[in-house]
Amino acid sequence: DTGVSQDPRHKITKRGQNVTFRCDPISEHNRLYWYRQTLGQGPEFLTYFQNEAQLEKSRLLSDRFSAERPKGSFSTLEIQRTEQGDSAMYLCASSHPLAGYSYEQYFGPGTRLTVT
Amino acid sequence: GENVEQHPSTLSVQEGDSAVIKCTYSDSASNYFPWYKQELGKGPQLIIDIRSNVGEKKDQRIAVTLNKTAKHFSLHITETQPEDSAVYFCAAVISNFGNEKLTFGTGTRLTIIP
Repeated sequence: DTGVSQDPRHKITKRGQNVTFRCDPISEHNRLYWYRQTLGQGPEFLTYFQNEAQLEKSRLLSDRFSAERPKGSFSTLEIQRTEQGDSAMYLCASSHPLAGYSYEQYFGPGTRLTVT
Repeated sequence: GENVEQHPSTLSVQEGDSAVIKCTYSDSASNYFPWYKQELGKGPQLIIDIRSNVGEKKDQRIAVTLNKTAKHFSLHITETQPEDSAVYFCAAVISNFGNEKLTFGTGTRLTIIP
């Protein structure tokens, strides 16, 4: 399978704990996006990388959230001091510039976080 | 920023009939409009997209139309089958060689009645 992969698929944690999620994009896709999806809603943009550079962060991304893409390949999203409001599906997507354009974003299966 | 509205929120159609889902967007700078299908417990799957220089695009049983003047775009599924049951999301993007972040609608739960 050469699609976007995410790990873990499910995470249950207690309030106040730190969690880290991993995303492996499609090989050679240099753009990587993180989105958050709550129940009954569409995904919302969190942050975006081009290669290893984090180029934009949404105001949804509080200072408890940090994302990295150290070698321009896989990415991690860490949430510190989790709150119940962080419970959501965290989705990763990747895209590849083609002739200078980067349109299609391909999503992974997501990591469902439950904070108790 | 961009705002995308999607209707209806739920849609039930008889197997074999057609389904239409409609979206409107607010930012006239948006120039790329993908549609995603999301099944329970899975990530969104890109099913069709359209760019602003095209008015209509078709791929087998699915088609998308775009009216730039009215800022409307629609998904049409013909000859619906049970496996079409899912949540469908429209999205809009301002594509400018930089951050093509997707702004999604709120989704339409499509149920195909056998």
